[in-house]
Amino acid sequence: GNSVTQMEGPVTLSEEAFLTINCTYTATGYPSLFWYVQYPGEGLQLLLKATKADDKGSNKGFEATYRKETTSFHLEKGSVQVSDSAVYFCALVTGGFKTIFGAGTRLFVKA
Amino acid sequence: DVKVTQSSRYLVKRTGEKVFLECVQDMDHENMFWYRQDPGLGLRLIYFSYDVKMKEKGDIPEGYSVSREKKERFSLILESASTNQTSMYLCASSRQVSTNEKLFFGSGTQLSVL
Repeated sequence: GNSVTQMEGPVTLSEEAFLTINCTYTATGYPSLFWYVQYPGEGLQLLLKATKADDKGSNKGFEATYRKETTSFHLEKGSVQVSDSAVYFCALVTGGFKTIFGAGTRLFVKA
Repeated sequence: DVKVTQSSRYLVKRTGEKVFLECVQDMDHENMFWYRQDPGLGLRLIYFSYDVKMKEKGDIPEGYSVSREKKERFSLILESASTNQTSMYLCASSRQVSTNEKLFFGSGTQLSVL
């Protein structure tokens, strides 16, 4: 079946460090891939997305590239800020139109 | 901006009670969803609806039912609450059925069943 696997957290970084959160997926067909972010006390909101192979999604300094050959969609940011502390969810949508989420990765950024 | 509003931020209920969680969206979206969020498990789909009075089971529908009498409102019902239903419940909506559509989420309801 379709599934998403993310690296386990929590991830703790100092401000201005480089961030990578790994995400791999299993899916039939050609899914769209998403990263959602959940700030403390809030619901999830879309961070970025990519709809076909080799597409790069980007937003607020975050980037992720849809890699079909490695079935991956890793999230990166060159220099994290304290305000980036949140839980990050990788997700996919296939022809069934249901969004399937990974377990989430909590990020703590220290000043 | 789309607003998805969940009626309660925190809710405490007793085992066996009937519980209603309400969700309203204000952007005329076709699709609405109920997820539960548990640590280490991510979000799991309970029920969803593509149209008024229409509902589909998600991955974990047992112990839950839903109602969608109006397009903007989607209610989740716990017929007889149990302690294993203690969780964060998230409502979401999307504009149309498409692989490219993003979900808009409410802030969630943290339900505790004692």
